[in-house]
Amino acid sequence: AQSVTQPDIHITVSEGASLELRCNYSYGATPYLFWYVQSPGQGLQLLLKYFSGDTLVQGIKGFEAEFKRSQSSFNLRKPSVHWSDAAEYFCAVGPGTALIFGKGTTLSVSS
Amino acid sequence: KAGVTQTPRYLIKTRGQQVTLSCSPISGHRSVSWYQQTPGQGLQFLFEYFSETQRNKGNFPGRFSGRQFSNSRSEMNVSTLELGDSALYLCASSPGTEQTQYFGPGTRLLVL
Repeated sequence: AQSVTQPDIHITVSEGASLELRCNYSYGATPYLFWYVQSPGQGLQLLLKYFSGDTLVQGIKGFEAEFKRSQSSFNLRKPSVHWSDAAEYFCAVGPGTALIFGKGTTLSVSS
Repeated sequence: KAGVTQTPRYLIKTRGQQVTLSCSPISGHRSVSWYQQTPGQGLQFLFEYFSETQRNKGNFPGRFSGRQFSNSRSEMNVSTLELGDSALYLCASSPGTEQTQYFGPGTRLLVL
């Protein structure tokens, strides 16, 4: 079955510290992978995507993610977190449309 | 370029009623998808329309339906509302199928 697992429901990181959000997927075909962010009461904003090619992809707001086929993972990273990064983060897999989403990871940033 | 717009932003209905939500995609985008977001089930795909044709459908009952117009604007309809239909309904558009989607702000539906 096709699925996305985000093992961490909630993560708290100090401002300025590094961040890694985990994402594991199960998908039969070559996956298209996405990370979206959602602030309270808002829609989803695309952070980055992986379709093919270089397995390390750069996104907006200083985020990057690495696709590891052998581990079926697509973890999101940021070297230095800002207070404005506090939000809910969703990993998704699919053909671009008809996405399958993980349950999300809520990021809190402490000062 | 203007983003995806959804109307209305908030809606309150009672059980048994029906509701229609509207989505205007980014100019030039021909694919529109709908998702339901609830605290319990998370984000779930409802259906996708491309050039006025339903291309994909998620696992939702027939009470959930949609359509797309020639200008790519889309509507979704939920008939005989149930309490469990309370959710944030998100619309996303993309230039075509199998391409990156961009989401609107959503319509928050509360069923009483």
